[in-house]
Amino acid sequence: QVQVVESGGGVVQPGRSLRLSCVASGFTFSNYGMHWVRQAPGKGLEWVAVIWFDGSNEDYADSVKGRFTISRDNSKNTMYLQMNSLRAEDTAVYYCARDQGYADNWGQGTLVTVSS
Amino acid sequence: EIVLTQSPGTLSLSPGERATLSCRASQSVSSRFLAWYQQKPGQAPRLLIYGASTRATGIPDRFSGSGSGTDFTLTISRLEPEDFAVYYCQQYGRSPRTFGQGTKVEIK
Repeated sequence: QVQVVESGGGVVQPGRSLRLSCVASGFTFSNYGMHWVRQAPGKGLEWVAVIWFDGSNEDYADSVKGRFTISRDNSKNTMYLQMNSLRAEDTAVYYCARDQGYADNWGQGTLVTVSS
Repeated sequence: EIVLTQSPGTLSLSPGERATLSCRASQSVSSRFLAWYQQKPGQAPRLLIYGASTRATGIPDRFSGSGSGTDFTLTISRLEPEDFAVYYCQQYGRSPRTFGQGTKVEIK
């Protein structure tokens, strides 16, 4: 069955960096774009970024543009989110999801806490 | 950026009742690129509807979506106990792919 699993979350100080990973299984990873979506504690969903199936294009929310970079390694069935210059407002559960325009399969998320 | 406004913020209903959730866009959503998700506490969101009205795999037919342009609706015909959750709409026709703020369906 289709499965995506996030990892790499944790506690990080403001201004520091963190890299999240998303490992996919149960489908041909290289045929699909992939999303990152986040949810701050007690808040709604916020779309973060998407990467095309072949990594040829990326798109970001304005709130993370210039600080976050989405990438993928199709040989490893893995997508990444490099998060630099982290801020307190980046504290959230980060979900990865398969792209069909919409997001049709979601992981359980990984929690990122930005705090001194 | 397309802003999605969901109403009401909270819907208090009893099992067996009909739920009608609204999602209004600040600009027309192209080609009905509108999805609905359900999220229960401590869980990841689950896709319910895409293309404004197409149910995702495994979604019961008590869930239905309708609308076009700027006005969209999610209807749950008869609420089951497992349907009490938060529901989000999302447009994916234009970047950035924005979500609404959510509607909580709670037990009355």
